Formats: sequence, structure tokens, C-alpha cells
Amino acid sequence: EIVMTQSPATLSVSPGQRVTLSCRASQSVYSNLAWYQHKPGQAPRLLIHGASTRAAGVPARFSGSGSGTEFTLTISSLLSEDFGVYYCQQYNVWPPLTFGEGTRLDIK
Amino acid sequence: QVQLVESGGGVVQPGGSLRLSCAASGFTFKNYAMHWFRQTPGKGLEWVAFIRFDGTNKFYADSVKGRFTISRDDSQNTLFLQMDSLSLEDTAVFYCARAAGTFSYGAGWFDSWGHGTLVTVSS
Repeated sequence: EIVMTQSPATLSVSPGQRVTLSCRASQSVYSNLAWYQHKPGQAPRLLIHGASTRAAGVPARFSGSGSGTEFTLTISSLLSEDFGVYYCQQYNVWPPLTFGEGTRLDIK
Repeated sequence: QVQLVESGGGVVQPGGSLRLSCAASGFTFKNYAMHWFRQTPGKGLEWVAFIRFDGTNKFYADSVKGRFTISRDDSQNTLFLQMDSLSLEDTAVFYCARAAGTFSYGAGWFDSWGHGTLVTVSS
């Protein structure tokens, strides 16, 4: 099983700031990585797949980078609506599909 | 638009059973692989089960293998998860999700999710 590790666990950032979230895989997943945003009581939302391809309708302030074992999700200029928990997920080797434990992003 | 609506959650005693449903609309359900996920209190997302678009192949997480059964009824555009021998550790919000891309096993990421249904296992 591929273990995904995210950092930091929590983050509190002011609107307008740049945010960088990290995700590490226990072995190479090449570019087979997705990012999701999850707000309480809502459905998870796909942000990025293929490590760097924005999903349909996702604002350009969200970008993904990395390959192999190290990945980054960047929000270029944070909006108040961007609060929530962000998860990375690998799909290079499954079953099982595996997620990181999430980074909780709070707006200051 | 694509919509997935889970139902069937509730409170059940340890050792009991529940059947979750996921009603799909807004897309050709029979063409897509589907998955179940869960989120336990205070923890992250966990993949639970997969069913191929044509139902010919199914995978399960080790934690539910032999206890949970995924199925689909394309005539009703509905995905199911039969959960037996439930334990306290199965308490979670369960989500269904559509695999991106059509046919076969689908892509490994998920472009549509439901809002979830809460399963509470408690004595």
C-alpha cells in the first residue's frame, strides 16, 4: 500500500496570501496524483488530477506541481471561500486507492 | 448536471447490517465505474470499494473485505453498498463517487461526489 503524507496538518492564512500545501508518497506515483477540497457537510471537490491538471471549473489560483514522490498544491491568492480540508490521493497503484490525512486550511 | 445522492445511513448495533444507496442522475450511469469512500470522525478519507462500469469486477479495502458488498442496478441508476457484521470502527460518513472517464476501470480520480450519509454503529 502506498502511504501518502501531507504537511502541514493545519494552516491559518490571511486572505490574499499565497498558500503551499505538501504531499509526499512512500514510493513513486509518477504523476498519478489528485487533490480535493472538502468543506464540512459538502461533497468533496476535485481540484487537480495528473498532478497538475486543473479540473473543470476550478479557478486558476489553484495549481498543482510535482511528480514521483513530492507534490505541491498552491493557492496563489487565498480567498475566504478557500477554507476546508485539502487531500491528496494517489491512483498509480490500486487497490487500495490511498489519501493523505489532509491539511486543514483556516482563514485568519 | 451530475448528481449523486446517498441514502440508507442510520444507527445500527454492532454486528448489524445496513444497505446504502447512491442515486445517480445527470449522466449515463451505466458507462461509469463507481466507488464508495468513508470518512471516520476526526480522520480523513478512506477508499472502501469499487465496481467496474459493467459490474464484472469489484475491489474492496482490506478493512471491509468479506463484510461489505458493492453492487449496482443500471436500470435504476443506483449504486449500493451492503454492509454486514458492522463494528464500532465502521462509524463514518459514507460517500459515493464517480470515477472520471468512461468504461473499463475509469480513471483513478473522482470528478463527482455525493454529500454523504452517516452510519453510526453503537450499542
